[in-house]
Amino acid sequence: NAGVTQTPKFRILKIGQSMTLQCTQDMNHNYMYWYRQDPGMGLKLIYYSVGAGITDKGEVPNGYNVSRSTTEDFPLRLELAAPSQTSVYFCASRMSSGTGAGELFFGEGSRLTVL
Amino acid sequence: AQSVTQLGSHVSVSEGALVLLRCNYSSSVPPYLFWYVQYPNQGLQLLLKYTSAATLVKGINGFEAEFKKSETSFHLTKPSAHMSDAAEYFCAVRVILTGGGNKLTFGTGTQLKVEL
Repeated sequence: NAGVTQTPKFRILKIGQSMTLQCTQDMNHNYMYWYRQDPGMGLKLIYYSVGAGITDKGEVPNGYNVSRSTTEDFPLRLELAAPSQTSVYFCASRMSSGTGAGELFFGEGSRLTVL
Repeated sequence: AQSVTQLGSHVSVSEGALVLLRCNYSSSVPPYLFWYVQYPNQGLQLLLKYTSAATLVKGINGFEAEFKKSETSFHLTKPSAHMSDAAEYFCAVRVILTGGGNKLTFGTGTQLKVEL
């Protein structure tokens, strides 16, 4: 039972490089999210999606882009990486609105360092 | 706007002692509240959730939380701490998004240390 799978788990980038964090879920969840976690700051929402083809900004979207071409996949792209994007990134998903309490299911995270 | 505040970024208890992690919420509507646990280098795992049914909610690993509207609190407790409980704990509240759907807004976390 895979749940939410994130790749890569670790990555080091140089300033100005670009990369994509991959996220896939096998629970047929409509809703997917990207959060970043910084020490002492909790988790901040970057982008979310309520279904294939629909995405919207969260609290901290600057420097990131997303796409949602399928129900399963929700990649997060970093353009022109900056040291401020050094963080741990979590992808999460949840069941459709109207089912469940809204709890999220998380991947194991992708630890990104920008030097 | 709905939010949660966790009091105490670090809590230390002895093995076998009571665990009490504090969370207060702010919400203009009846909240849905959650506690998650994060072990080192892992993702967040749901411990328990409050959805306006019973005010005392039991979760996994012997944890429970009580919703107190008068105190706007949702504190997490466990009668007897175990070494394996050492982790970071996050309180969260469900927030309805203007674009449809909802998200969870998290507190800043409480690191629990369990000592022999």
